[in-house]
Amino acid sequence: QKEVEQNSGPLSVPEGAIASLNCTYSDRGSQSFFWYRQYSGKSPELIMSIYSNGDKEDGRFTAQLNKASQYVSLLIRDSQPSDSATYLCAVRMDSNYQLIWGAGTKLIIKP
Amino acid sequence: GAGVSQSPRYKVAKRGQDVALRCDPISGHVSLFWYQQALGQGPEFLTYFQNEAQLDKSGLPSDRFFAERPEGSVSTLKIQRTQQEDSAVYLCASRDTDRAWADTQYFGPGTRLTVL
Repeated sequence: QKEVEQNSGPLSVPEGAIASLNCTYSDRGSQSFFWYRQYSGKSPELIMSIYSNGDKEDGRFTAQLNKASQYVSLLIRDSQPSDSATYLCAVRMDSNYQLIWGAGTKLIIKP
Repeated sequence: GAGVSQSPRYKVAKRGQDVALRCDPISGHVSLFWYQQALGQGPEFLTYFQNEAQLDKSGLPSDRFFAERPEGSVSTLKIQRTQQEDSAVYLCASRDTDRAWADTQYFGPGTRLTVL
């Protein structure tokens, strides 16, 4: 069974620090990896996608992928209170539209 | 419209009642997805449409669940004889392409279904 695992948290980080969110997946055939942010009572919104091993940076966000270790992470630099949300990791096999989702990590940024 | 819309936003049903949930995708979007999200969990895939064709319904939990998109735009998810375990947020998402590797699914606000 395909699985995506995340620590449920909450992860508490001081404002201005780096928040590090982690995700592991079980299916070695996975090719596409996504981080979504979901505010309480709202729908998920895509913040990062990554397909190749290494780092991908977009503003304050950096996604890191290690396919050998089946591990994907999201770093948020200069964390702001507005970053407080649940972060969902989603994984997709190549040529497949289905996303397999983790349960999410709740992030709290303390002012 | 500017985004994906869903109605109703909240639905309370008595056990055994039938419900219908509506999704209006972004105009012109080819692909449409339905997900079920239980409290504290990530979304679970239910079904996928490409235009009016339902290409995958493998995630529908039982034959009480039925989805349609007859004209390739608006979609309806119907749940017959609702059970308490059906209580969840039902999310609809659309995408402007049928290419499997395309990134962005745009989510609607969801319908929160509570079955008493």
